[in-house]
Amino acid sequence: TQLLEQSPQFLSIQEGENLTVYCNSSSVFSSLQWYRQEPGEGPVLLVTVVTGGEVKKLKRLTFQFGDARKDSSLHITAAQPGDTGLYLCAGAYGNKLVFGAGTILRVKS
Amino acid sequence: KAGVTQTPRYLIKTRGQQVTLSCSPISGHRSVSWYQQTPGQGLQFLFEYFSETQRNKGNFPGRFSGRQFSNSRSEMNVSTLELGDSALYLCASSFGSGTAQETQYFGPGTRLLVL
Repeated sequence: TQLLEQSPQFLSIQEGENLTVYCNSSSVFSSLQWYRQEPGEGPVLLVTVVTGGEVKKLKRLTFQFGDARKDSSLHITAAQPGDTGLYLCAGAYGNKLVFGAGTILRVKS
Repeated sequence: KAGVTQTPRYLIKTRGQQVTLSCSPISGHRSVSWYQQTPGQGLQFLFEYFSETQRNKGNFPGRFSGRQFSNSRSEMNVSTLELGDSALYLCASSFGSGTAQETQYFGPGTRLLVL
């Protein structure tokens, strides 16, 4: 059983559409990170959220940390083909980083 | 500065063999963590080395081991390979503050196929 559940597992959308990826847990995390991984490469950190209720924006990407620090979401506005990849959330649990299974996003032009 | 490098990038082994993977961290980083990535399980933490000592360990059998050298380069070894060990093995380096939220920089991974 995953400590962090990500949904959906797969997402295929048209360029210009909006989407939201969710990361949920029954555990409290001291912080949560979002990564993007492209084929043949390792994950690259997009953002770290630390405070419950925190919202961070990175261009067309909006990240939110739940008030109780048990969940997070990633919203992409007007998706572009360059957004295609595997999106991973990772929670700081004790002194370890625990990853969700990921959401594969495909944006078609 | 140069990123995290991993060698080899691809490897094919047969069951029962052993394998050694190598990771060179970003210059100045003293912590190296290893992860196994599979489609079904995602990234699973193997272990972390800091200053040549294993500082954290995940829930993998003893067939998985690692070490770190004085220049922070790290190797991981898997003995008696099983089909289920087929995966992408990623290493990540960081300065090594000891906090899980510290930014880790991942290498491109070694893809291991066990036949």
